[in-house]
Amino acid sequence: QVQLVQSGAEVKKPGSSVKVSCKASGGTFRNYAFNWVRQAPGQGLEWTAGIIPGLGSTYYAQNFQGRVTITADESTSTVYMVVSSLRFEDTAVYYCVRGPQGDGTTWGQGTLVTVFS
Amino acid sequence: DIQMTQSPSSLSASVGDRVTITCRASQDINHFLAWFQQKPGKVPKALIYDASSLQSGVSSKFSGSGSGTDFTLTISSLQPEDFATYYCQQYNAYPFTFGPGTKVDF
Repeated sequence: QVQLVQSGAEVKKPGSSVKVSCKASGGTFRNYAFNWVRQAPGQGLEWTAGIIPGLGSTYYAQNFQGRVTITADESTSTVYMVVSSLRFEDTAVYYCVRGPQGDGTTWGQGTLVTVFS
Repeated sequence: DIQMTQSPSSLSASVGDRVTITCRASQDINHFLAWFQQKPGKVPKALIYDASSLQSGVSSKFSGSGSGTDFTLTISSLQPEDFATYYCQQYNAYPFTFGPGTKVDF
């Protein structure tokens, strides 16, 4: 059973960057699609970025193009997301998600990023 | 981008009710649709993938159907633990867009 463990909560100032990690265990890494989904307080789910490590393919939501970078390290089965030029409205819980694909979807526990001056 | 809509946006139901939620895609997404349940302050829980396949460990009271552009999630007999918000998500093409959610409450 795959598990996704994310890095801890972050508090950042506007204009700075944040890097969130997601370590996968218990399953195949390189052939799955990994995605970042964010949820602002009281809001719905918003897909942000995706990567297929084995292909090196990356995908971004238009809203975040240029401010978000997703990468993967196959040696450690870890996916990363960097959000730069942080704004107050980037305050959200960021979820790492494997899939949806083949055998369904697995969610990480979420990482709260608070942008605060 | 593929737009996802859900109806209704909210519904009131009672324990034992059969509940159906509809999700519509702005273009053909084949069967690449997933459903999630989320309770306040909790991580979303995967229910259905590939439109009708039950995620491992999920109760068979949940079922999904549809293909192309129109999909439904059905809860056969609503229980107290099922009061939550439900989201659909298409994964036919990037970006993998979500529906706005359907809140099921009393």
